[in-house]
Amino acid sequence: DVKVTQSSRYLVKRTGEKVFLECVQDMDHENMFWYRQDPGLGLRLIYFSYDVKMKEKGDIPEGYSVSREKKERFSLILESASTNQTSMYLCASSLAITYEQYFGPGTRLTVT
Amino acid sequence: RKEVEQDPGPFNVPEGATVAFNCTYSNSASQSFFWYRQDCRKEPKLLMSVYSSGNEDGRFTAQLNRASQYISLLIRDSKLSDSATYLCVVNDESNYQLIWGAGTKLIIKP
Repeated sequence: DVKVTQSSRYLVKRTGEKVFLECVQDMDHENMFWYRQDPGLGLRLIYFSYDVKMKEKGDIPEGYSVSREKKERFSLILESASTNQTSMYLCASSLAITYEQYFGPGTRLTVT
Repeated sequence: RKEVEQDPGPFNVPEGATVAFNCTYSNSASQSFFWYRQDCRKEPKLLMSVYSSGNEDGRFTAQLNRASQYISLLIRDSKLSDSATYLCVVNDESNYQLIWGAGTKLIIKP
Protein backbone atom coordinates (compact mmCIF):
# COMPACT_ATOMS: atom_id res chain seq x y z
CA ASP A 1 0.00 0.00 0.00
CA VAL A 2 1.14 3.50 -0.87
CA LYS A 3 2.48 5.39 2.11
CA VAL A 4 3.70 8.93 2.70
CA THR A 5 4.52 9.92 6.26
CA GLN A 6 5.23 13.30 7.80
CA SER A 7 7.23 13.84 10.94
CA SER A 8 4.58 15.70 12.95
CA ARG A 9 0.81 16.14 12.78
CA TYR A 10 0.81 19.29 14.90
CA LEU A 11 3.63 21.70 15.59
CA VAL A 12 3.80 24.98 17.52
CA LYS A 13 6.85 27.20 17.04
CA ARG A 14 7.86 30.69 17.99
CA THR A 15 8.58 33.51 15.57
CA GLY A 16 12.18 33.40 14.41
CA GLU A 17 12.73 29.70 15.11
CA LYS A 18 14.13 27.38 12.46
CA VAL A 19 11.59 24.68 11.63
CA PHE A 20 12.18 21.33 9.96
CA LEU A 21 9.34 19.34 8.40
CA GLU A 22 10.22 15.89 7.19
CA CYS A 23 8.47 13.70 4.65
CA VAL A 24 9.21 10.08 3.79
CA GLN A 25 7.66 7.94 1.06
CA ASP A 26 8.06 4.21 0.64
CA MET A 27 6.90 3.91 -2.96
CA ASP A 28 10.21 4.61 -4.72
CA HIS A 29 8.64 7.69 -6.33
CA GLU A 30 10.89 10.06 -8.21
CA ASN A 31 8.84 13.22 -7.64
CA MET A 32 8.19 14.84 -4.29
CA PHE A 33 6.31 18.03 -3.47
CA TRP A 34 5.68 20.39 -0.59
CA TYR A 35 2.41 22.36 -0.52
CA ARG A 36 0.71 24.62 1.94
CA GLN A 37 -3.06 24.76 2.27
CA ASP A 38 -4.93 27.72 3.70
CA PRO A 39 -8.71 28.21 4.03
CA GLY A 40 -10.34 29.39 0.82
CA LEU A 41 -7.22 28.81 -1.24
CA GLY A 42 -6.15 25.86 -3.34
CA LEU A 43 -3.02 23.94 -2.53
CA ARG A 44 -0.05 26.15 -3.28
CA LEU A 45 3.23 24.59 -4.32
CA ILE A 46 6.26 25.66 -2.30
CA TYR A 47 9.01 23.44 -3.74
CA PHE A 48 9.29 20.21 -5.64
CA SER A 49 11.99 17.73 -6.50
CA TYR A 50 12.34 15.38 -9.47
CA ASP A 51 15.39 13.56 -8.20
CA VAL A 52 17.85 13.28 -5.38
CA LYS A 53 19.70 16.53 -4.67
CA MET A 54 17.51 18.30 -7.20
CA LYS A 55 14.97 21.00 -6.29
CA GLU A 56 12.80 23.49 -8.09
CA LYS A 57 10.89 26.49 -6.79
CA GLY A 58 7.12 26.37 -6.87
CA ASP A 59 4.72 29.28 -6.67
CA ILE A 60 5.57 30.49 -3.14
CA PRO A 61 9.17 29.55 -2.20
CA GLU A 62 9.99 32.72 -0.25
CA GLY A 63 10.93 31.97 3.34
CA TYR A 64 11.38 28.25 2.69
CA SER A 65 14.14 25.92 1.58
CA VAL A 66 14.23 22.17 0.94
CA SER A 67 16.62 19.27 1.03
CA ARG A 68 16.54 15.92 -0.73
CA GLU A 69 19.57 13.86 0.13
CA LYS A 70 17.84 10.50 -0.34
CA LYS A 71 15.18 9.47 -2.81
CA GLU A 72 12.62 8.65 -0.14
CA ARG A 73 13.05 11.76 1.99
CA PHE A 74 12.15 15.39 1.27
CA SER A 75 12.56 18.01 3.97
CA LEU A 76 11.04 21.48 4.16
CA ILE A 77 12.89 24.10 6.18
CA LEU A 78 11.53 27.38 7.46
CA GLU A 79 14.70 29.37 8.04
CA SER A 80 13.07 31.88 10.39
CA ALA A 81 9.44 31.12 11.10
CA SER A 82 6.94 33.96 10.86
CA THR A 83 3.27 34.13 11.84
CA ASN A 84 2.19 34.24 8.19
CA GLN A 85 3.66 30.75 7.80
CA THR A 86 0.99 29.34 10.09
CA SER A 87 -0.69 26.81 7.81
CA MET A 88 -1.29 23.17 6.93
CA TYR A 89 1.75 21.71 5.16
CA LEU A 90 1.23 18.75 2.88
CA CYS A 91 3.88 16.55 1.34
CA ALA A 92 3.15 14.49 -1.76
CA SER A 93 4.95 12.13 -4.09
CA SER A 94 4.39 10.73 -7.55
CA LEU A 95 6.05 8.56 -10.14
CA ALA A 96 8.01 10.28 -12.88
CA ILE A 97 5.87 11.36 -15.88
CA THR A 98 2.61 10.80 -14.01
CA TYR A 99 0.36 13.31 -12.34
CA GLU A 100 -1.29 11.21 -9.66
CA GLN A 101 0.05 12.44 -6.35
CA TYR A 102 -0.11 10.65 -3.02
CA PHE A 103 -0.21 12.77 0.09
CA GLY A 104 0.99 12.49 3.63
CA PRO A 105 -1.39 13.28 6.50
CA GLY A 106 -0.18 16.88 6.76
CA THR A 107 1.46 18.96 9.46
CA ARG A 108 -0.54 21.75 11.01
CA LEU A 109 2.03 24.37 11.94
CA THR A 110 1.24 27.27 14.23
CA VAL A 111 3.79 30.07 14.59
CA THR A 112 3.21 32.32 17.59
CA ARG B 1 -1.87 33.18 -14.16
CA LYS B 2 -3.20 29.67 -14.65
CA GLU B 3 -6.23 29.07 -12.45
CA VAL B 4 -8.86 26.57 -11.48
CA GLU B 5 -12.11 27.99 -10.12
CA GLN B 6 -14.70 26.19 -8.02
CA ASP B 7 -17.85 27.17 -6.16
CA PRO B 8 -16.80 26.82 -2.52
CA GLY B 9 -20.31 25.77 -1.39
CA PRO B 10 -21.29 24.31 0.92
CA PHE B 11 -23.77 22.22 -1.02
CA ASN B 12 -26.28 20.85 1.48
CA VAL B 13 -27.91 17.80 -0.06
CA PRO B 14 -30.32 15.19 1.38
CA GLU B 15 -29.15 11.60 1.46
CA GLY B 16 -30.11 9.76 -1.71
CA ALA B 17 -30.20 12.84 -3.90
CA THR B 18 -28.08 13.54 -6.95
CA VAL B 19 -25.64 16.41 -6.81
CA ALA B 20 -23.37 17.93 -9.42
CA PHE B 21 -20.72 20.58 -9.38
CA ASN B 22 -18.38 22.07 -11.92
CA CYS B 23 -15.03 23.69 -12.04
CA THR B 24 -13.53 25.91 -14.74
CA TYR B 25 -9.90 26.10 -15.76
CA SER B 26 -8.06 28.85 -17.58
CA ASN B 27 -5.28 26.95 -19.33
CA SER B 28 -6.58 25.67 -22.66
CA ALA B 29 -3.43 23.57 -23.13
CA SER B 30 -4.12 21.38 -20.09
CA GLN B 31 -4.45 17.71 -20.91
CA SER B 32 -4.99 15.94 -17.61
CA PHE B 33 -7.83 16.49 -15.18
CA PHE B 34 -8.67 15.00 -11.82
CA TRP B 35 -11.08 15.10 -8.95
CA TYR B 36 -9.58 14.64 -5.49
CA ARG B 37 -11.54 14.19 -2.30
CA GLN B 38 -10.47 15.70 1.00
CA ASP B 39 -12.15 14.81 4.27
CA CYS B 40 -12.09 17.28 7.13
CA ARG B 41 -8.55 17.63 8.53
CA LYS B 42 -7.27 14.87 6.25
CA GLU B 43 -5.07 14.77 3.18
CA PRO B 44 -6.43 14.88 -0.39
CA LYS B 45 -6.93 11.53 -2.09
CA LEU B 46 -7.49 10.85 -5.75
CA LEU B 47 -11.16 10.19 -6.47
CA MET B 48 -11.00 9.83 -10.24
CA SER B 49 -9.27 10.97 -13.37
CA VAL B 50 -11.34 12.77 -16.00
CA TYR B 51 -10.97 11.54 -19.56
CA SER B 52 -12.05 13.26 -22.76
CA SER B 53 -14.83 10.74 -23.20
CA GLY B 54 -15.96 11.09 -19.63
CA ASN B 55 -15.77 8.30 -17.10
CA GLU B 56 -17.91 6.62 -14.52
CA ASP B 57 -16.99 4.85 -11.31
CA GLY B 58 -19.99 3.49 -9.50
CA ARG B 59 -22.11 6.42 -8.36
CA PHE B 60 -19.60 8.98 -9.59
CA THR B 61 -19.46 10.38 -13.12
CA ALA B 62 -16.91 12.90 -14.37
CA GLN B 63 -17.21 14.86 -17.59
CA LEU B 64 -14.87 17.16 -19.47
CA ASN B 65 -15.98 20.00 -21.73
CA ARG B 66 -12.88 21.27 -23.52
CA ALA B 67 -14.70 23.90 -25.57
CA SER B 68 -15.99 25.63 -22.45
CA GLN B 69 -13.04 24.60 -20.31
CA TYR B 70 -14.93 23.03 -17.46
CA ILE B 71 -15.02 19.73 -15.64
CA SER B 72 -18.02 18.33 -13.83
CA LEU B 73 -18.59 15.74 -11.13
CA LEU B 74 -21.95 14.05 -10.64
CA ILE B 75 -22.73 11.98 -7.57
CA ARG B 76 -25.84 9.82 -7.68
CA ASP B 77 -27.66 8.30 -4.70
CA SER B 78 -25.52 10.34 -2.32
CA LYS B 79 -24.43 8.78 0.97
CA LEU B 80 -23.59 10.40 4.29
CA SER B 81 -19.99 9.26 3.72
CA ASP B 82 -19.79 11.40 0.58
CA SER B 83 -19.59 14.49 2.79
CA ALA B 84 -16.20 15.99 2.01
CA THR B 85 -14.49 18.72 0.04
CA TYR B 86 -13.99 17.91 -3.64
CA LEU B 87 -10.92 19.39 -5.26
CA CYS B 88 -10.69 19.98 -8.99
CA VAL B 89 -7.16 19.58 -10.34
CA VAL B 90 -5.66 20.35 -13.73
CA ASN B 91 -2.16 19.77 -15.04
CA ASP B 92 0.24 22.52 -15.99
CA GLU B 93 1.38 21.24 -19.37
CA SER B 94 4.82 22.84 -19.11
CA ASN B 95 5.88 20.53 -16.27
CA TYR B 96 4.55 17.76 -14.09
CA GLN B 97 2.88 20.09 -11.66
CA LEU B 98 -0.78 20.31 -10.82
CA ILE B 99 -2.98 23.37 -10.44
CA TRP B 100 -5.49 22.98 -7.62
CA GLY B 101 -8.91 24.49 -7.13
CA ALA B 102 -9.85 25.60 -3.62
CA GLY B 103 -12.52 22.92 -3.40
CA THR B 104 -16.29 22.54 -3.16
CA LYS B 105 -17.64 21.50 0.21
CA LEU B 106 -20.42 18.91 0.13
CA ILE B 107 -22.58 18.07 3.14
CA ILE B 108 -24.97 15.15 2.88
CA LYS B 109 -27.80 15.35 5.40
CA PRO B 110 -29.83 12.36 6.67
